[in-house]
Amino acid sequence: DIQMTQSPSTLSASVGDRVAITCRASQGIVNWLAWYQQKPGKAPKLLIYKASSLESGVPSRFSGSGYGTEFTLTISSLQPDDFATYYCQQYNSYSSFGQGTKLEIK
Amino acid sequence: QITLKESGPTLVKPTQTLTLTCTFSGFSLSTSGVGVGWIRQPPGKALEWLALIYWDDEKRYSPSLKSRLAITKDTSKNQVVLTMTNTDPVDTATYYCAHTRADIVVVNAFSPWGQGTLVTVSS
Repeated sequence: DIQMTQSPSTLSASVGDRVAITCRASQGIVNWLAWYQQKPGKAPKLLIYKASSLESGVPSRFSGSGYGTEFTLTISSLQPDDFATYYCQQYNSYSSFGQGTKLEIK
Repeated sequence: QITLKESGPTLVKPTQTLTLTCTFSGFSLSTSGVGVGWIRQPPGKALEWLALIYWDDEKRYSPSLKSRLAITKDTSKNQVVLTMTNTDPVDTATYYCAHTRADIVVVNAFSPWGQGTLVTVSS
């Protein structure tokens, strides 16, 4: 099984900040990685697929990068709507998710 | 517009079989490349991929749960059914179904997702 480890688990930031969330895979996954945003009581929403491809309709302040075992989700300028929990998902070998990163208001 | 909605029991007793139905619209599971997957999330915990079925009836299961899961589709009804046998309290979770598209990998990213349905396993 491929284990996905996200860091940090919690991130405190302010509107307008640039933030980055990291996801590390226990073995290489090429670029088969997705990022999701989840708000309380709601289903996850796909933001990024294939590590760096922006899903249609997702604001351009979201970007993804990485290859192999280390990946990053960057939000260039935080907006009030961005405070949520973010998950990475690998789909190189079946699929597994990271434990989540809660982005909270500082 | 693609929409999906999960339905099924809210409470099941341990050792019983859980049957969940995903009813969708906006796409057809007879269209090449289309798939529907199931993902669950225990309260306050992370997401876990369970199973996936493609337009050509190819099925994929989480290796850790494979022996307990079965996924089927009814193309005429636009439904996908997930069955989980021998349930346990640790199976208490919100269960989501989601749309996906085939790629060269076995599983792909999911979008969009249904609203989810909370299933509690308790005696």
